[in-house]
Amino acid sequence: EIVMTQSPGTLSVSPGERATLSCRASQSVSRNLAWYQQKPGQAPRLLISGASTRATGVPARFSGSGSGTDFTLTISSLQSEDFAVYYCHQYNDWPPLTFGGGTKVEIK
Amino acid sequence: QLQLQESGPGLVKPSETLSLTCNVSGGSISSGSYYWGWIRQPPGKGLEWIGSMYYSGSTNYNPSLKSRVTISVDTSKNQFSLKLSSVTAADTAVYYCARQLSGYYPLSDQWGQGTLVTVSS
Repeated sequence: EIVMTQSPGTLSVSPGERATLSCRASQSVSRNLAWYQQKPGQAPRLLISGASTRATGVPARFSGSGSGTDFTLTISSLQSEDFAVYYCHQYNDWPPLTFGGGTKVEIK
Repeated sequence: QLQLQESGPGLVKPSETLSLTCNVSGGSISSGSYYWGWIRQPPGKGLEWIGSMYYSGSTNYNPSLKSRVTISVDTSKNQFSLKLSSVTAADTAVYYCARQLSGYYPLSDQWGQGTLVTVSS
């Protein structure tokens, strides 16, 4: 089973600032890595697939990078609606499909 | 536009079987382009993949749950179902159904809104 580790657990950022979230896989997942955003009471929303491809309708301030075992989600200028929990997810090697533990982005 | 909607009892007793259904609208579950899966999230915790199935009936399950899980499909009703047996309090979670791209790399691209299932006597 591929273990996904996200850091930090919580990120405190002021609106307008840049946020950088990290995700590490216990073994290579190539570029089969997705990022999801989840707000309270809502289902996860796909932001990024293939490590760097934004899903339809996702603003350009969200960008993903990385390959192999190390990945980054960057939010260039945080907006109020971006405060949420973000999960990385590997779909390269299954079963099982696995998710990271999440990073909560909160208002500083 | 594709929509997925979970339904089923919100309260299940310990040792009993949890049963949920996902109704798919705006697209055919018989499309060969997708898997159909279940993912859960205990309150305040992260996401755990339960299992996925192809419309033909082939399935993949999380090894940690495999002995207790059955996922099935009813193409005539355009829906698929989850059964989880011998539940305990640890199975209390929001259960999501999701569409996953078929092939080697099953990305979950569409999710239902989720339904909370509490295991309690």
